[in-house]
This record gives sequence, C-alpha cells and structure tokens, in this order.
Amino acid sequence: GNSVTQMEGPVTLSEEAFLTINCTYTATGYPSLFWYVQYPGEGLQLLLKATKADDKGSNKGFEATYRKETTSFHLEKGSVQVSDSAVYFCALSENTDKLIFGTGTRLQVFP
Amino acid sequence: KAGVTQTPRYLIKTRGQQVTLSCSPISGHRSVSWYQQTPGQGLQFLFEYFSETQRNKGNFPGRFSGRQFSNSRSEMNVSTLELGDSALYLCASSLTAATNEKLFFGSGTQLSVL
Repeated sequence: GNSVTQMEGPVTLSEEAFLTINCTYTATGYPSLFWYVQYPGEGLQLLLKATKADDKGSNKGFEATYRKETTSFHLEKGSVQVSDSAVYFCALSENTDKLIFGTGTRLQVFP
Repeated sequence: KAGVTQTPRYLIKTRGQQVTLSCSPISGHRSVSWYQQTPGQGLQFLFEYFSETQRNKGNFPGRFSGRQFSNSRSEMNVSTLELGDSALYLCASSLTAATNEKLFFGSGTQLSVL
C-alpha cells in the first residue's frame, strides 16, 4: 500500500542554519504530496503542496520539489528561525484515499 | 471565519468506558476526517465523512465509529476503551472530498484512558 517515510527527529539547528527534512514515498500511481506543520498545542496546518512531478511547492521560505524519479519530496529552508520550531509531517493522497502521513519530524531551532 | 472546533479539549476515562468526541467543521465544509495521533504511530487515518456518508475507513477495530449530521458536524465514538486508545484525536475539514484539497485541522481532543 501507499506509505510515507520521514527522517527521524529531532532535528536541532541554530537560527539561520539551512534545513533539510527528508521525505520519500511509496505509491502505485501519481499522488499529490504535502507538508503539514504542527506547532505546540495546535492542530496541523498545510505548509505547502505539489500535485504533479517536478512541481515545487513553497510557502514562508520553505520549499519542496516533487521528484518522481527518486519518489521524494524533501523539505528545505535556507535560514530557519526560532519560530519554525514545530513538528513537520510529510503526506500523500492518491485516488479516493485521504491523506497518509509520515511519522513526523520534530524541528528545534535555538537562538 | 471560525476554524474547526473540537470538543472537549481534554478527556480522562477509564478502561471499559465509552467516549464521544465532537467536531464542528468550518462553515460550508462538507467533508470531515478523523485521525488518531500517538507518539509511537504518528498520525493514522480513522475515517472520512462527506454529506453524511462514510467515504473511507482506516484500519481500526469496530469499537471506533463515527457519524456526520446534516449540518456537517461530526462525532466519533469509541466503545470499550483500552489503554492503547490514549491519543490526540484530530478532526479535519475540507470543502469537498477531493483528495488533493487542503485540510483544515482542529486543535484536537486529548484522550487519556486510565
């Protein structure tokens, strides 16, 4: 079945460092791919998405490119801030199925 | 515009009891999905409702059930609670049932089973 694999956390960075959170997926067809973020005590919020191969989703300085050849959708940001500290979830949806999430990666950014 | 509202925010129950969680979607949204979030398993899909009909169901035992009302509000019920049911239960709504549509999540109901 479809699945999403994310790198284990926590990821600990200093402010202004470069961020990469790896995400790979398994799907039978051509899924849509998402990154959601969960701040402490809150529900998830959509960060960005891409619906077809080579699409780049971007929002708030975060970017991710849908790579069909490597079945990946890695999240990147050039310069993280303390306020980016949260849990990040990679997810996919295909056909009539709702979102399938990865296990989440906690990001901790220190000043 | 009000967001997705889940009640109650926290619940403490004992094994064997049953519990009902409530979710009010964003006004105009007709699709409601439920997820269970635990530290070990991450986010797991429970079920999805659209226009009062269950469209999809995850891999959970029959003790977990849900329903949706004509005003799109949804309830989730867990009967004969087990310790392993302790989790954050998240509800999400969307305008339609399209699979690539953005989901709007509530803050969740934290259920503790003692």
